[in-house]
Amino acid sequence: GAVVSQHPSRVICKSGTSVKIECRSLDFQATTMFWYRQFPKKSLMLMATSNEGSKATYEQGVEKDKFLINHASLTLSTLTVTSAHPEDSSFYICSARTGTRGINEQFFGPGTRLTVL
Amino acid sequence: SQQGEEDPQALSIQEGENATMNCSYKTSINNLQWYRQNSGRGLVHLILIRSNEREKHSGRLRVTLDTSKKSSSLLITASRAADTASYFCGAGGGNKLTFGTGTQLKVEL
Repeated sequence: GAVVSQHPSRVICKSGTSVKIECRSLDFQATTMFWYRQFPKKSLMLMATSNEGSKATYEQGVEKDKFLINHASLTLSTLTVTSAHPEDSSFYICSARTGTRGINEQFFGPGTRLTVL
Repeated sequence: SQQGEEDPQALSIQEGENATMNCSYKTSINNLQWYRQNSGRGLVHLILIRSNEREKHSGRLRVTLDTSKKSSSLLITASRAADTASYFCGAGGGNKLTFGTGTQLKVEL
């Protein structure tokens, strides 16, 4: 099946620093990648959708200058949390799918646990 | 309520029993996808059902979709302890999936 990896799996950082999370599709080309945020025992909240080679589309209420998304290749998207604060602590999950239209499964990465001290 | 809301929030059953989880959504969809999530891990894709389908099977999984009621159900037959996890439905409209808060399933030996 389609495999999506994320790195790092866990990160602890100091308040004010920036953290980069990578999402890779290992065995397929992901023209579309999604970034989600999940709080404990809560639903996944879609943060943004990124298509390879174009700017990400952010959901309402998500600060694009704080959560920088780059989808530079068909197998890699990165999420950078800039000037992180304790309220940014969360579980971040990416997903990837082939194609930009139609019905396709989204395949999820294992998630990254971010803790901001 | 949110798009893709699961019911019940928590379910505890004995191994060997069947588990049924329901999902309701609000707007039009072109597909609905069910996922499993073990604690602290990513989501594992279980099954996708298209809006023009009414029922789909995959192994011990059976999914139904009723677009007139905007609802779906996931049935896990002959449950195992390893099925213990949270289950989410993702309502697919356009390019996105919208998830509910999930059903936490616990299968006891």
